[in-house]
Amino acid sequence: DIQMTQSPSSLSASVGDRVTITCRASQSISSYLNWYQQKPGKAPKLLIYGASNLQSGVPSRFSGSGSGTDFTLTISSLQPEDFATYYCQQSYSTPTWTFGQGTKVESK
Amino acid sequence: QVQLQESGPGLVKPSQTLSLTCTVSGGSIGSGSYHWSWIRQPAGKGLEWIGRIFTTENTNYNPSLKSRVTMSVDTSKNQFSLKVSSVTAADTAVYYCARGDTTMSYYYMDVWGKGTTVTVSS
Repeated sequence: DIQMTQSPSSLSASVGDRVTITCRASQSISSYLNWYQQKPGKAPKLLIYGASNLQSGVPSRFSGSGSGTDFTLTISSLQPEDFATYYCQQSYSTPTWTFGQGTKVESK
Repeated sequence: QVQLQESGPGLVKPSQTLSLTCTVSGGSIGSGSYHWSWIRQPAGKGLEWIGRIFTTENTNYNPSLKSRVTMSVDTSKNQFSLKVSSVTAADTAVYYCARGDTTMSYYYMDVWGKGTTVTVSS
């Protein structure tokens, strides 16, 4: 199985901060990497697909980059509604799509 | 706008079979080239992809669950379903259904149900 490791597991930030979350795959997954946002008690929401493609309706302050094994999700200017947990997910290896363990973005 | 809604028993006894249904509204389950997934999340933990089904009834299952999982689709009812047999407390989780799509060969899950909590307990 392809293991996905996110760092950090949690971070504290303030509104307006630039936030970066990293996801590393245990083997190359090309650009088959998606990012999701999940708020407490809610379903995950797709933010980025194919490593860098912004899902329709997602604010442009979210961006993704990377290929191979190392990927990054960046929030250019953190907004109050962005406090949430973020997950990466690889869709390279079917039938085992795997998620990272999540990164919780908390208010400083 | 497509919406998904999970339904099924919230409590299942150990060793029994967990059965859930996802109803698709606002669009036809058979339209486009979508696939339909199940994902679960134990309380306070991360997400685990269980598997997916196409309207052709082709399936892909997570190998860690494959021996206990069965998915089916009913296009006449605009529904797809999940069965997990021989459940234990480790199967206690929030279960989500989701629509999968593909763009430029990239697979992703873009529409999710709200989730339903299933507890395995006697």
